[in-house]
Amino acid sequence: GENVEQHPSTLSVQEGDSAVIKCTYSDSASNYFPWYKQELGKRPQLIIDIRSNVGEKKDQRIAVTLNKTAKHFSLHITETQPEDSAVYFCAASAVGTASKLTFGTGTRLQVTL
Amino acid sequence: DGGITQSPKYLFRKEGQNVTLSCEQNLNHDAMYWYRQDPGQGLRLIYYSQIVNDFQKGDIAEGYSVSREKKESFPLTVTSAQKNPTAFYLCASSMDRDYGYTFGSGTRLTVV
Repeated sequence: GENVEQHPSTLSVQEGDSAVIKCTYSDSASNYFPWYKQELGKRPQLIIDIRSNVGEKKDQRIAVTLNKTAKHFSLHITETQPEDSAVYFCAASAVGTASKLTFGTGTRLQVTL
Repeated sequence: DGGITQSPKYLFRKEGQNVTLSCEQNLNHDAMYWYRQDPGQGLRLIYYSQIVNDFQKGDIAEGYSVSREKKESFPLTVTSAQKNPTAFYLCASSMDRDYGYTFGSGTRLTVV
């Protein structure tokens, strides 16, 4: 089955700096890659996703890039703010698995003033 | 509550007892999922269901059981066979053709 690895496990940046979180996946059939943000004690919420027919997607301060050849995808957050502090999860799902997502182990992002 | 409701928010179980976690959605989503979240291990899939009266085991199904008698409901039973049930349990749903998940607010289960 699919295996998703996520790095780093913790990331501390100063307010205004950029943050990058990287994930690799194992199943070359995977074609959907969402990112979720989970604030302390709350449910994960979808922040951005990308499908395998595009290489990059942007939504204001966040962007996701996908390299299918290398089987990795990354989340980029620019101009970080304290409210970006949370745990971020990447995930992947493959064709024929009924949208069943495999998640990475999460990255705890802390944005300091 | 975002269209998907989990209850209770906190649950305490004595060893040897079965407990059932509730998950209800009013989003008309076809697929529903149960994940377990442990510190440092991300979200691991327990069971999932694509349609009513059908469900599949996920990666860590041992010690758990589910049912899907109605489209809106996907309860999870944590049986006494689950050796380490203390965790945060998340239910999610999605449209069959729309991969995005909507998560419930979770149930924190503690064995006492």
